[in-house]
Amino acid sequence: GAVVSQHPSWVICKSGTSVKIECRSLDFQATTMFWYRQFPKQSLMLMATSNEGSKATYEQGVEKDKFLINHASLTLSTLTVTSAHPEDSSFYICSAPRSGTADGRLFFGSGTQLSVL
Amino acid sequence: GENVEQHPSTLSVQEGDSAVIKCTYSDSASNYFPWYKQELGKRPQLIIDIRSNVGEKKDQRIAVTLNKTAKHFSLHITETQPEDSAVYFCAPDDQAGTALIFGKGTTLSVSS
Repeated sequence: GAVVSQHPSWVICKSGTSVKIECRSLDFQATTMFWYRQFPKQSLMLMATSNEGSKATYEQGVEKDKFLINHASLTLSTLTVTSAHPEDSSFYICSAPRSGTADGRLFFGSGTQLSVL
Repeated sequence: GENVEQHPSTLSVQEGDSAVIKCTYSDSASNYFPWYKQELGKRPQLIIDIRSNVGEKKDQRIAVTLNKTAKHFSLHITETQPEDSAVYFCAPDDQAGTALIFGKGTTLSVSS
């Protein structure tokens, strides 16, 4: 069945480096992807909406120059955390809308745990 | 935009007891009301949902009730088990294709 594949599952990086997270839709085309961030013991907070072939829409307070989103194809959206700092350590998860609401409105990726040292 | 309040933030029960979590929303256009369960480090999983034309839905030990007039819906878990321990989120939605906005979550702990 339709699945969203997210990689990597976890990543540890040094402060100042960049990290790329990939989200692929399998067996379906995702013209839209939603990127969420979740800090420990907090809710999932929407960071941005990516649309294939156009610029992403960022939520208030999310730095678009720091969190680069690219949605170059109908099956791949990427989030790059540039010049990562310890405060960027978080759980990042992508999701794609599914048609209808059977089994929920969104397909979720498996998430990426980012730890910045 | 949608303002979502979820209560309580934490809930501790003994195995076999019932648990109730309430979600209040502000957008009268919301017509789809899901509840998600999230275990640590995992993706959220839909456990039950309800649409605005229905007042209650039940699936084994889990039920959701909706009061559209008062703009709140609740998750009911009966005969709780230790494996029900997780964080639960509501996400009222207008099905307009935009992202889900999640409540702040309720951490449920079921002790045996």
